[in-house]
Amino acid sequence: SQQGEEDPQALSIQEGENATMNCSYKTSINNLQWYRQNSGRGLVHLILIRSNEREKHSGRLRVTLDTSKKSSSLLITASRAADTASYFCATSIDYKLSFGAGTTVTVRA
Amino acid sequence: GAVVSQHPSRVICKSGTSVKIECRSLDFQATTMFWYRQFPKQSLMLMATSNEGSKATYEQGVEKDKFLINHASLTLSTLTVTSAHPEDSSFYICSARYVIDTEAFFGQGTRLTVV
Repeated sequence: SQQGEEDPQALSIQEGENATMNCSYKTSINNLQWYRQNSGRGLVHLILIRSNEREKHSGRLRVTLDTSKKSSSLLITASRAADTASYFCATSIDYKLSFGAGTTVTVRA
Repeated sequence: GAVVSQHPSRVICKSGTSVKIECRSLDFQATTMFWYRQFPKQSLMLMATSNEGSKATYEQGVEKDKFLINHASLTLSTLTVTSAHPEDSSFYICSARYVIDTEAFFGQGTRLTVV
């Protein structure tokens, strides 16, 4: 069953702008991960944040985690056309990953 | 990062036939692999966990006799959709992890169309 809920469902931005998406989950987690999926392809891992971490950066990506609110956010700065994709959060409980509904991001040139 | 290869990427089959999808970890050994199903514009739903040398663990509501999983080696898991019907048409994706509770590596996915 799905653990995470993401919002917004879809986001359209201009190249160069920032994109922010949020993920909420229901139960305690070991870590939370963000993935990108280009249309019709598999998923690519972007970043993992552990339950004892609050913020993490990787290139143009910034992830925050608030375990008290059971929520996470992914910020993509200075977006590019190549960032157009669906983004999923996934919570890791035991050995399984449970995925959120995803946010579809469209970056307009 | 590690590479997981999934084959075929697309398959069209007739109703009532069976289709086998392969998932290989190319540069690491995966004692556990995962199979997901994804409907258009929806999230990934875990179907089953494939365990090398033992029976797969299926999620609630997934028919084990319809979706046969075999994990015969540390680098190969297969999903066979038996007696496929149009409602089985979907995008199937496999994944594997180096270490439990770390990042997962995904295959390219298989688009199954049953006609």
